[in-house]
Amino acid sequence: GAGVSQSPSNKVTEKGKDVELRCDPISGHTALYWYRQSLGQGLEFLIYFQGNSAPDKSGLPSDRFSAERTGGSVSTLTIQRTQQEDSAVYLCASSLDGAKQYFGPGTRLTVT
Amino acid sequence: GESVGLHLPTLSVQEGDNSIINCAYSNSASDYFIWYKQESGKGPQFIIDIRSNMDKRQGQRVTVLLNKTVKHLSLQIAATQPGDSAVYFCANFTGNQFYFGTGTSLTVIP
Repeated sequence: GAGVSQSPSNKVTEKGKDVELRCDPISGHTALYWYRQSLGQGLEFLIYFQGNSAPDKSGLPSDRFSAERTGGSVSTLTIQRTQQEDSAVYLCASSLDGAKQYFGPGTRLTVT
Repeated sequence: GESVGLHLPTLSVQEGDNSIINCAYSNSASDYFIWYKQESGKGPQFIIDIRSNMDKRQGQRVTVLLNKTVKHLSLQIAATQPGDSAVYFCANFTGNQFYFGTGTSLTVIP
């Protein structure tokens, strides 16, 4: 079956612009995660959605970052007024049981 | 806070040899562990998992060992192949959150 998909695969934006990153999880997966991965670094947790519960936003680095999940499926991560330190690969993962996660290919964001 | 570390940032092995990648964790309450493989330009791919009530689990060419006494996790890859070259992450699940290590880069020498 189809895995997790993310779009765009690459995004180059100017400093100060807003960007939206999209994640399509595996159908039926109730849990969805966003992570950030900087060059040569591990995964940094950003936000977690589980069903209809309020999301766990504890990993969002600043109020410029926000995420939504519509209809319990597609999620959008929005970064406002992008800064150069926001440059990274943004990974989305979904899970059926909240434990075993399946990752998408990521969106590589470059802020110039 | 939680920390997940890897003993070596890089590992080079000859094709056909066995590889061992190690990981340490700090929270004794961790109850679920996963190893991921990440190839260049791709997202992490699930390899194998283990729950804290087990100390060993085997998959195809891979074995995960868990030592809860010393809070240590290892991934063994048998007969390493060039296609195994990638970054390997360990992750542990504590409470309702995953914590990921920074990864070990495995290079297989033909």
